[in-house]
Amino acid sequence: DIQMTQSPSSLSASVGDRVTITCRASQSISRYLNWYQQKPGKAPKLLIYAASSLQSGVPSRFSGSGSGTDFTLTINSLQPEDFATYYCQQSYRTPPVTFGPGTKVDIK
Amino acid sequence: EVQLLESGGGLVQPGGSLRLSCAASEFTFSTYAMNWVRQAPGKGLEWVSGISDGGDSTYYADSVKGRFTISRDNSKNTLYLQMISLRAEDTAVYYCAKERAAGVVDTFDIWGQGTMVTVSS
Repeated sequence: DIQMTQSPSSLSASVGDRVTITCRASQSISRYLNWYQQKPGKAPKLLIYAASSLQSGVPSRFSGSGSGTDFTLTINSLQPEDFATYYCQQSYRTPPVTFGPGTKVDIK
Repeated sequence: EVQLLESGGGLVQPGGSLRLSCAASEFTFSTYAMNWVRQAPGKGLEWVSGISDGGDSTYYADSVKGRFTISRDNSKNTLYLQMISLRAEDTAVYYCAKERAAGVVDTFDIWGQGTMVTVSS
């Protein structure tokens, strides 16, 4: 199975900050990489699919980039509702899909 | 509004069985593959099982293969997960999730609110 790692595991940021989260795959996955946001007690929400495509209804301050093994989720001008845990997920070689361990973004 | 609503979770003893359901609404259920994803308390996301739109192809994580069975009833717009021989490590919130496009076990664009399964004596 393809293993996913994320860094950092957590970060503290302020409203208005630019936040970058990195995801790395154990082998090349082309651009088969998705990003999800999860708030406490809630279901995950799809933000970005195919590495850089913004899911319908997701604010444009979210963006994704990367290919191969290294990917980035960027949140420009962090908003109060963005404090959450973010997961990457590969869909290159499935089943199984595999998720990263998550990055928790909290308030500084 | 596109919606998924899980039910059937609860407390079960080790070795016991449980069947989860996921009722879909406001989309053409029969044209999308579906999945189950779980999350143990305080942990990350783990894909459990997937099924094709017509139900003829099913997929399982190694951790549940032989114990869990995914199925669907397209006439009832409902997804199921039959779980037997449950273990403590199966304790988790179970989410059903819809495929975003034509793929199977790929990208999940709609998730239910989850149902909690607790395996304990």
